[in-house]
Amino acid sequence: AQSVTQPDIHITVSEGASLELRCNYSYGATPYLFWYVQSPGQGLQLLLKYFSGDTLVQGIKGFEAEFKRSQSSFNLRKPSVHWSDAAEYFCAVGAIGNDMRFGAGTRLTVKP
Amino acid sequence: EAGVAQSPRYKIIEKRQSVAFWCNPISGHATLYWYQQILGQGPKLLIQFQNNGVVDDSQLPKDRFSAERLKGVDSTLKIQPAKLEDSAVYLCASSEAWGVVTDTQYFGPGTRLTVL
Repeated sequence: AQSVTQPDIHITVSEGASLELRCNYSYGATPYLFWYVQSPGQGLQLLLKYFSGDTLVQGIKGFEAEFKRSQSSFNLRKPSVHWSDAAEYFCAVGAIGNDMRFGAGTRLTVKP
Repeated sequence: EAGVAQSPRYKIIEKRQSVAFWCNPISGHATLYWYQQILGQGPKLLIQFQNNGVVDDSQLPKDRFSAERLKGVDSTLKIQPAKLEDSAVYLCASSEAWGVVTDTQYFGPGTRLTVL
């Protein structure tokens, strides 16, 4: 079965600084990869997803992620963080015939 | 377009009591999911419906949890009796198609359950 690891429980960055959130997955076949964001008291919102093709995926709110098969990674990046980006971020992996598995999440704090 | 609606938003009960959560998915969405999100963890799928049929309930603790989706629209998730470890946020999500892992799931705001 597929699994996801998000090594960083909590990250703090200054507003305007760049951001990279790490995600490592485990799955034997072609994975389907997702990044979701969860603001306090809100449900999860899809930022971006990767199925095939170009390994650099663009998402909403200025986020992008890069799929690296050799490293089993799908890291999320943003060149300049805004205070409104403070939230919990979840990486997830899906597969044909299987449900989506989520990582434990990374909480992002943005310093003014 | 209205999103996924859930109620109540918060619920506090004592252990061994019963509780029910309600979800109204996005209109026309065939697939409905219930997830359990324990504090500090990612969401875990409990049950998945296609229209009003159960597709996957392998992670649902069937001795105490039950769910139904009448007429393939609204759904209720029930816990009876509740245990302390059931304290979590219960998320409902829906997607347009079925069996398409690439299909986007849209999440409701969740119900935060506290069991004392």
